[in-house]
Amino acid sequence: DQQVKQNSPSLSVQEGRISILNCDYTNSMFDYFLWYKKYPAEGPTFLISISSIKDKNEDGRFTVFLNKSAKHLSLHIVPSQPGDSAVYFCAASGPWVTFGKGTLLTVNP
Amino acid sequence: EAQVTQNPRYLITVTGKKLTVTCSQNMNHEYMSWYRQDPGLGLRQIYYSMNVEVTDKGDVPEGYKVSRKEKRNFPLILESPSPNQTSLYFCASSPQGVNYGYTFGSGTRLTVV
Repeated sequence: DQQVKQNSPSLSVQEGRISILNCDYTNSMFDYFLWYKKYPAEGPTFLISISSIKDKNEDGRFTVFLNKSAKHLSLHIVPSQPGDSAVYFCAASGPWVTFGKGTLLTVNP
Repeated sequence: EAQVTQNPRYLITVTGKKLTVTCSQNMNHEYMSWYRQDPGLGLRQIYYSMNVEVTDKGDVPEGYKVSRKEKRNFPLILESPSPNQTSLYFCASSPQGVNYGYTFGSGTRLTVV
């Protein structure tokens, strides 16, 4: 049973527009949610996180929103840049970490 | 530079030949973990360690062993590799707990023939 789901395998946006990556989870015991970015031939890098007691966390161009009642979180990237093209993994922890399968974001110039 | 170092980056081996993938971190992190990444399956946790001499199974531990004799090192051991262990492996570490975010190594691409 997949506890963290990223239902969109890929997403394509134009440079300068907003990218919205979505993630759903099933386990209400998760208390922290994280986003990682992965370029080819590299390990994932930590991007941003949010505690389950918050509904928004912002870091520069990246904002994560959490809707606990819907068990849904999203990552917004504004404005999107070609260098943002990567696979994005959603992860949930509490106390173990479960990753989604990832969404490939392509930002077109 | 703060980092997680895995070796080797690439490895081709034969079925049944024992191998070890090393992982070392220089950040004094308590928490370390091994993941494998497979197409369509994302990242799945193999084993994790919350501190020295404390290890536990993740989602897919079968066929793997680990040890944590010192804080900085967390090797992954495949006693008798099989073709279904062909995968991309990542070691990761985190201070205190996973809520702080992992630092990942660059990965080890293993092929078992």
